[in-house]
This record gives sequence, C-alpha cells and structure tokens, in this order.
Amino acid sequence: DIQMTQSPSFLSASVGDRVTINCKASQNINRYLNWYQQKLGEAPKLLIYNANSLQTGIPSRFSGSGSGTDFTLTISSLQPEDVATYFCLQHNSWPNTFGAGTKLELK
Amino acid sequence: EVQLVESGGGLVQPGRSLKLSCLASGFTFSNYGMNWIRQAPGKGLEWVASISSSSSYIYYADTVKGRFTISRDNAKNTLYLQMTSLRSEDTALYYCARRGAAMGDYWGQGVMVTVSS
Repeated sequence: DIQMTQSPSFLSASVGDRVTINCKASQNINRYLNWYQQKLGEAPKLLIYNANSLQTGIPSRFSGSGSGTDFTLTISSLQPEDVATYFCLQHNSWPNTFGAGTKLELK
Repeated sequence: EVQLVESGGGLVQPGRSLKLSCLASGFTFSNYGMNWIRQAPGKGLEWVASISSSSSYIYYADTVKGRFTISRDNAKNTLYLQMTSLRSEDTALYYCARRGAAMGDYWGQGVMVTVSS
C-alpha cells in the first residue's frame, strides 16, 4: 500500500500569510493527488484534484503543485474562513490512501 | 444540485451486521463511480470501498475486506454498504462520495456507526 506522509500535523498562521502543506507518497503516484478541506462538523470538500487542478467554486488563493512523490497545497493569503483540517489523498492505485491531516488555525 | 444522503447507521453490538444506504440525486447516478469513506471520532479519513458505475470493478480496504460488501442499485439511485462481523474499530462516521471528474467531488453529510456492547 502507498503511504502518504503529510506535514505539518498542525499549523498556526496569521490572516494574509502564505501557507504551505506538504504530502509525500511512499512511491510514485504520478499526479493522482487530491486535496480536501474539512471544517469542524462538516463533510470534506474537494479543493484540488490531480495535483494542480482547482475544483469549481474554490477560491483562487488555493493552489496545488507537485508530481511523482512530493506535493504541496498552498494558500496564498490566509483568510479566517480557511481554518480547517486539510487532507491529501492518493488515487493512483488501490487502496486509495489519505494523509493524516493538517490542522490549520489562526494565530 | 448534487445531493448524497446516507442512512442506516446506529448502535450495534460487536459481531453483528448493519447495512448503510446512500441515496443520490441531482445527477445521473448510473454514470459515476461511488465510494465509502469513514472517519473514526477525532481521527483522519480512511477510504473503505469503491464501486464503478456498472458494478464491474469493486475495491476494498484491507481492514474491511471479507466483512464489508459495497453494492449499488442504479434504478434506485442508491449505494449500499453491507457490514458484517462488526468490530469496535469500525466505529466511525461513514461518508459516501462520488467519483466524478475527480475522486470525492461530492460528499454526503455522513452517517454514524457505533459498535459497542
């Protein structure tokens, strides 16, 4: 099974900050990497699919990059409504596997 | 509007069975692969099972293989998860999610399953 190592586990940042979250796959997953945002008490929401494609309706301050084994989610200018936990998911092979999550809070 | 509504959860004793349903609306259900994903209380997400649009391809996580069965009824726009031999570690919020242009482009609100004596 492919292991997804997500970092950091916890992140504290200020409004307006540039925030980056990383996911590293234990083997090559090409660009089959999605990013999800989960706010407290809500279902996850798809932000980025296939490493760098922005899901419809998601603000452009969210972006994704990477291929192979190393991937990054970037929030260019943190907003209060971005407080959430963020997960990556590899869907290159079965079983699909999630990262452990990054909890993002405001400083 | 795409909607996914899960049902069938509840409190069940270890070793017993439970069947979850996910009723889909707002899109042509028979055209999309579907998934079950779970989240134990206070924990991360775990992919459980996937089924293709015509049920030709089915995949399971090792943690549920042999105990859970994913299925669908395209005439009823409904996805199912039959869970048997339930264990305490199966306690979680179970989400159904669509595999559209991207995996998990739409999610339901989840249904809670608690396995306890």
